[in-house]
Amino acid sequence: AQSVTQLGSHVSVSEGALVLLRCNYSSSVSVYLFWYVQYPNQGLQLLLKYLSGSTLVKGINGFEAEFNKSQTSFHLRKPSVHISDTAEYFCAVSDRGDSNYQLIWGAGTKLIIKP
Amino acid sequence: DAGVIQSPRHEVTEMGQEVTLRCKPISGHDYLFWYRQTMMRGLELLIYFNNNVPIDDSGMPEDRFSAKMPNASFSTLKIQPSEPRDSAVYFCASSWGGSYGYTFGSGTRLTVV
Repeated sequence: AQSVTQLGSHVSVSEGALVLLRCNYSSSVSVYLFWYVQYPNQGLQLLLKYLSGSTLVKGINGFEAEFNKSQTSFHLRKPSVHISDTAEYFCAVSDRGDSNYQLIWGAGTKLIIKP
Repeated sequence: DAGVIQSPRHEVTEMGQEVTLRCKPISGHDYLFWYRQTMMRGLELLIYFNNNVPIDDSGMPEDRFSAKMPNASFSTLKIQPSEPRDSAVYFCASSWGGSYGYTFGSGTRLTVV
């Protein structure tokens, strides 16, 4: 069964720094990949998704992620973070062959931006 | 588009009472999902619907939980009777085609005392 691992439950960086949030999934079958962001007391918002095509995916708020099939990874990065990026980030995977269309979720990474 | 709309935003109830959470999905979306989020267990899928039909309710924790989708624009999640351990944030999400990413509502924060 598919599983998703997000390395680091908490990541703290200074404003303006580069941030890399790691996501690995277990199965190498064809997948759809997603990153969601959850700001405090809000629902989850789709940041970006990989369905097919270019392995470098650009999302909202300056975030991007790269799909690496051989490493079964989909790491999220932003070159220069802002205080407003403080939130929890979730990686999710869906198997293309899964007719149940379920997203398998990582446990989330809380990103804290220090001024 | 107003997005996925959930009501109420907050609900405080006493143990043993019935609780009904409501969700209006985005028009045209054919999948609807109910999730529960807690600090201990993270995000849990409770049930999902396709074209108003429940497809998988294996995540519903107990018979006290039930969900309905009488039409394409409305769904309810009911807990009867409620217990303190049901305290959580409940999210509704909808999508067009289940695999392509969901739109979440703002959630209902349920507190059972």
